[in-house]
Amino acid sequence: DQQVKQNSPSLSVQEGRISILNCDYTNSMFDYFLWYKKYPAEGPTFLISISSIKDKNEDGRFTVFLNKSAKHLSLHIVPSQPGDSAVYFCAASYTGANSKLTFGKGITLSVRP
Amino acid sequence: GAGVSQSPSNKVTEKGKDVELRCDPISGHTALYWYRQRLGQGLEFLIYFQGNSAPDKSGLPSDRFSAERTGESVSTLTIQRTQQEDSAVYLCASSLLGVRNSPLHFGNGTRLTVT
Repeated sequence: DQQVKQNSPSLSVQEGRISILNCDYTNSMFDYFLWYKKYPAEGPTFLISISSIKDKNEDGRFTVFLNKSAKHLSLHIVPSQPGDSAVYFCAASYTGANSKLTFGKGITLSVRP
Repeated sequence: GAGVSQSPSNKVTEKGKDVELRCDPISGHTALYWYRQRLGQGLEFLIYFQGNSAPDKSGLPSDRFSAERTGESVSTLTIQRTQQEDSAVYLCASSLLGVRNSPLHFGNGTRLTVT
C-alpha cells in the first residue's frame, strides 16, 4: 500500500507563476518530511525538509507547508522557472526509522517559458 | 567534491543470469542505502547499511537479492537468477549520519534491463 501518495502525476505552469505540488500520507507515525527533485538520468537531489513540529519551512523560492491533521503537505515554488522542470518526490520517515525514507511516485513539473 | 558513483550506468542481461551492481558512496558517509525505481513507480527501499552492517534488509524483494558493504565504503548489490520484473533503475544513496540527520545523496543509478 502507498503510504505516501502524490496523486497528480504531472503539473504544467507558466514561468513566473506559482507551482503547488501536493502530497498526502497515511501513516500517522511519519514525523519528518522531505522533497527531492530529479532530472532525467540523474539521481534525486534533496530540496527541502520539514519536521512535524513545524507547519512551514522556507528556503528561497521553495516553501513546504505541513497540515498534520489532514496528513497533507505541499511544496510551493515561487516564482517558477524553466530550470525547475523536473520530477518532484515527496518522502517521509518516522522516529526510529533512521533506516529509510518512504517515497511517493513523483510529480512531473513542466514550467513553460 | 566527488558524489556517489554507481557502475555500470546501464546493464542488459538475459533472464536467469546473475548481476552485480556497484556503489561508491561519498567518503566518510556512514549510512548507505539501496533503492530501486520501476517504471511509473516511486522509489522503493531495498536495504540500509550503517557502517558495514545491514540493520534493515526489509526491502529486499526475495532471497535472490543480496548486498554487502566493505571497508565502510563500497557496496555491491547482487541479483541472482534475474527475472524480467527485476528490470528497474537501481539507486544508491549515502548519508553522513542517516536520513533523519542529514540528506541522502543519490548516485545516477544503474538501469537494469532483463530480457
